[in-house]
Amino acid sequence: DTEVTQTPKHLVMGMTNKKSLKCEQHMGHRAMYWYKQKAKKPPELMFVYSYEKLSINESVPSRFSPECPNSSLLNLHLHALQPEDSALYLCASSQEDRIIQTQYFGPGTRLLVL
Amino acid sequence: AQSVTQPDIHITVSEGASLELRCNYSYGATPYLFWYVQSPGQGLQLLLKYFSGDTLVQGIKGFEAEFKRSQSSFNLRKPSVHWSDAAEYFCAVAPGGATNKLIFGTGTLLAVQP
Repeated sequence: DTEVTQTPKHLVMGMTNKKSLKCEQHMGHRAMYWYKQKAKKPPELMFVYSYEKLSINESVPSRFSPECPNSSLLNLHLHALQPEDSALYLCASSQEDRIIQTQYFGPGTRLLVL
Repeated sequence: AQSVTQPDIHITVSEGASLELRCNYSYGATPYLFWYVQSPGQGLQLLLKYFSGDTLVQGIKGFEAEFKRSQSSFNLRKPSVHWSDAAEYFCAVAPGGATNKLIFGTGTLLAVQP
């Protein structure tokens, strides 16, 4: 099973709202990722967690706050977003204990900021 | 700097025709190479990957790709396209051992004519 699940599928929020995106995998993967994808563009890496610790932050604004409560779960907390943050947010996971890792992606959460 | 080029932004083929999507990378050593497919509004699905060994790699859904070191290419092929293959295709490179950072090409949008 190579399934990564994401909730919600769609989210509409105002610029003053606080919301969270959730990602879950039960493949025993110890690396999890958040990507942002604008329309007609490739995914852009935002964060990487390795063994529940943040290992990569690609200079993402602080209005995006990741959290990895356990090895199966990854959250992305959103606060005071801007309309330009509207995008498809993709979660991915991979096995951290392999030299060569293959990332498996979830279906994404489509976010609209009004 | 490492980069991935997909020269064709948009390709249209007839159903049943053969398909080749181009991918060129710029990297000093042999990278790890991936092809992903993304249907509209969906996440990315892994089609195939190349790490080493046989340069012709078989993937899911009848796709294959050939690694050509001399041309720094990893082109995706399918002998007979189905209407359900219409999607965006991304080539991705993981330079060296840093396989938790994927570099994506800009994508090729495939349309299939009946």
